[in-house]
Amino acid sequence: AQSVTQPDIHITVSEGASLELRCNYSYGATPYLFWYVQSPGQGLQLLLKYFSGDTLVQGIKGFEAEFKRSQSSFNLRKPSVHWSDAAEYFCADNNAGNMLTFGGGTRLMVKP
Amino acid sequence: GAGVSQSPSNKVTEKGKDVELRCDPISGHTALYWYRQRLGQGLEFLIYFQGNSAPDKSGLPSDRFSAERTGESVSTLTIQRTQQEDSAVYLCASSASLGSYNEQFFGPGTRLTVL
Repeated sequence: AQSVTQPDIHITVSEGASLELRCNYSYGATPYLFWYVQSPGQGLQLLLKYFSGDTLVQGIKGFEAEFKRSQSSFNLRKPSVHWSDAAEYFCADNNAGNMLTFGGGTRLMVKP
Repeated sequence: GAGVSQSPSNKVTEKGKDVELRCDPISGHTALYWYRQRLGQGLEFLIYFQGNSAPDKSGLPSDRFSAERTGESVSTLTIQRTQQEDSAVYLCASSASLGSYNEQFFGPGTRLTVL
């Protein structure tokens, strides 16, 4: 069965520092990958998605992610973190074409 | 336009009671999904509906859980004889149709607490 792994449960970065959140997927065929952000008390908001083509995808709020088939990874990055980026981030795969399979999430804290 | 809405936002119930959670999808979206998010965990798929097709119930954890959808509109998730392990945030999402390409739009969730 396909699975998505986010190795880091918590990450703390200083405001203005760069950020990378890790995501690994297990499915062999081309995955359909998503990153969502969940702010406290809010639903999930889509940051970006990858289906095919250019392996570096740009999303909202200054985020980007790079698909690396050789590493089965789809890491999320941001060059300079803002305090408002503190939230929980979920990587997900929709290879089955119906429901999303989510990673366990990474909680980001931002130090002033 | 309006996004996905869910009600109630919070529900506290006693063990053994039945609860109903409601989801209003984005108008025109034919696919509707329910997920569960337990404290400190990722989201687990429960069930999805696509148009008038039979729903995929493969994620429902027990026969105490059921869901209905009226046409391509409102859905209700029912949990009978609630247990403490049912405490979680229940999230509903909708998309224009099924398919890996289609973005799922999420509601704010219903936080269920079973005492």
